[in-house]
Amino acid sequence: GQQVMQIPQYQHVQEGEDFTTYCNSSTTLSNIQWYKQRPGGHPVFLIQLVKSGEVKKQKRLTFQFGEAKKNSSLHITATQTTDVGTYFCALPGDSSYKLIFGSGTRLLVRP
Amino acid sequence: GAGVSQSPSNKVTEKGKDVELRCDPISGHTALYWYRQSLGQGLEFLIYFQGNSAPDKSGLPSDRFSAERTGGSVSTLTIQRTQQEDSAVYLCASSLGGLNYNEQFFGPGTRLTVL
Repeated sequence: GQQVMQIPQYQHVQEGEDFTTYCNSSTTLSNIQWYKQRPGGHPVFLIQLVKSGEVKKQKRLTFQFGEAKKNSSLHITATQTTDVGTYFCALPGDSSYKLIFGSGTRLLVRP
Repeated sequence: GAGVSQSPSNKVTEKGKDVELRCDPISGHTALYWYRQSLGQGLEFLIYFQGNSAPDKSGLPSDRFSAERTGGSVSTLTIQRTQQEDSAVYLCASSLGGLNYNEQFFGPGTRLTVL
C-alpha cells in the first residue's frame, strides 16, 4: 500500500530562520496537498500540487513537487511566531477519494 | 457560509459507556470523512461517506465503532463500550465530490477522554 514519510518530525527554530519539511512517497503521485494545524486547532488546507516540478509560493511559503512526483517540500522563509504549528502532507490513497496524511512536522519558533 | 461543525467539543466518559459524536458538514459537500488524531500524532482515517453510496468503513479500528450519515448531511460516529485507548480528538471533514484532489475542510473536532 501507499507509504508516506514526512521529515523532520519536529523542528525548533529561532524567529527569522528558515524551515523546510519534506514528504516522500513510495509511489508516483497524481497530486499532493499540504495542511497546517495550529496548536489546539484543526487542519487547514494550504495548497495542492499537481504538475511535475511544480513550484508554488504563498508569501513566505514555497511549495515544491518533485520531478518524479514522488516527493514534495514546504519551505518557510524567515519564520515568524505565527508559523507555529504542525504541517502535514496528504497523498492520494488506495482509492480515488482517500487521502493519506503524513505524520506531520511540528514547528516551534522562538521569538 | 458556515464551516464544518462538530459537537460536543469535549466529551469525558467512563470506560464501558457509549458515546455519540456529531458532524455537520458544509452545505452542498457530498463527501464526509471521519479521522482520529491521538495526542501529537497524525490523522488516522476511520470512515468515508459519498452521497448515497455505501460508506468505506475500512479504517474503523473495531466493531465497537460505527457511523451513519442521514439524508446525505449530518453524520454521527458512535463508539460503544468505550476503552481508554479510544481517547483522542475525532475530526470530521467534508469536501466537494470526495475526489482526492479536492480540498478537505475540517471541523474543530471532538476531544474524547475515556476515564
